[in-house]
This record gives sequence, C-alpha cells and structure tokens, in this order.
Amino acid sequence: QKEVEQNSGPLSVPEGAIASLNCTYSDRGSQSFFWYRQYSGKSPELIMFIYSNGDKEDGRFTAQLNKASQYVSLLIRDSQPSDSATYLCAVIDTGRRALTFGSGTRLQVQP
Amino acid sequence: GAGVSQSPRYKVAKRGQDVALRCDPISGHVSLFWYQQALGQGPEFLTYFQNEAQLDKSGLPSDRFFAERPEGSVSTLKIQRTQQEDSAVYLCASSLVTRGGTEAFFGQGTRLTVV
Repeated sequence: QKEVEQNSGPLSVPEGAIASLNCTYSDRGSQSFFWYRQYSGKSPELIMFIYSNGDKEDGRFTAQLNKASQYVSLLIRDSQPSDSATYLCAVIDTGRRALTFGSGTRLQVQP
Repeated sequence: GAGVSQSPRYKVAKRGQDVALRCDPISGHVSLFWYQQALGQGPEFLTYFQNEAQLDKSGLPSDRFFAERPEGSVSTLKIQRTQQEDSAVYLCASSLVTRGGTEAFFGQGTRLTVV
C-alpha cells in the first residue's frame, strides 16, 4: 500500500463548479500536508499547505485536514479551464525531511 | 540565480551509458532534494543533502545511482550503466530550511530517456 493515496482520475467538472480532490495517508504521525499543482511537462508548484485539523482557505482554494481519519482534501471553487492540471498530495512523514507524494489526480475543467 | 536550474533539460542515453544530471539550487539554500518522476506517477524521493552532507539516500533504487554536492551548492546525480527503467523525469528541489515543505522550490527537471 502506498503511503499517500489519491484517485488518479480524471476528475471532470464544468467551468464555475467546485472541484473536490481527496487524499489519504498511512503515517499517523505525519504533521505537514501539501497540495501541488503540476501542469503537463512542468515541475510541481506548491498551492496550499496545512498543518492543523480543520479548513484553511486561500482565495479559491480550501485545504481540509482530518488527522483522525488520515484524510486531506483540496476544494477549488469557481473552477477555471486554467485549473486543468494534475494535483499532487504530499506529506512529510515522521522523522523525515523529504516529501512523500501521491500519484496525483488529473483534473479537467470543461469550458 | 532566480530559481532552481537543472541541466540538461532532456537527455537521451543508450542502455549501458553513464549519465550525469546537474542541479544548481537557489543561492544560500541549505537543503537539496532529488526526486524521480515516472510517467503518470508522483515524484519519488531519491536523496537529500543538507549543505554538503548527504543525510538520506534511502530512495536511491540501486548502487548504480550516486549523488554528490561537494561544496554544498551545485549537486550532480549520476546514473551508471543506464537501463530502460531509469527513464523518467529527475526533479531537483532546494529549500532554505532543513525541511522540504513550504520553502521547497522545484527545478524544471531533466527528462531522461534510455533507449
């Protein structure tokens, strides 16, 4: 079992809708959680990070963390075609310095 | 420099050939990470440097992979006797602090194709 699990998608939503991306992780001691966006052929770009249970909002993006369920999600409001990309969930496991990534979820926003 | 710079951007190697991939981190960044990203997958950790010290190399897939950062700045990832399964994008990230989270910046990667 991978340490960070994501549905590969594609997740297809119409323009203006809310896109919901989900991620589960196996290390109960993980403290830091990240969402990266990766356009095809480009490097990952950090868009959100969250450390505490609950919600964290930044513009159209909301990250949600539930440590008891080992679950982290990303909501994108008012989705735009330019949001079409692969979204990577990443955690820093206990005692490590590097990020552990999921396989990513491909999001398609239909105009 | 303004960002993390990797070279070459693309590399085609014949099976059995040795390759060297270069990463030039952001000036002053203490931490440097190498990741391998296969097609359709997320990046997989290879190795981590804090300044010139290689503190974690647990992700290197075999002894054909070797990384160095002799002066605590530029790093080189070397792959000996390349095999087809080494084909991937190799990403380098650097960070000002000793953790690869919010402060980590990725380079554009080197796409290695082994034929």
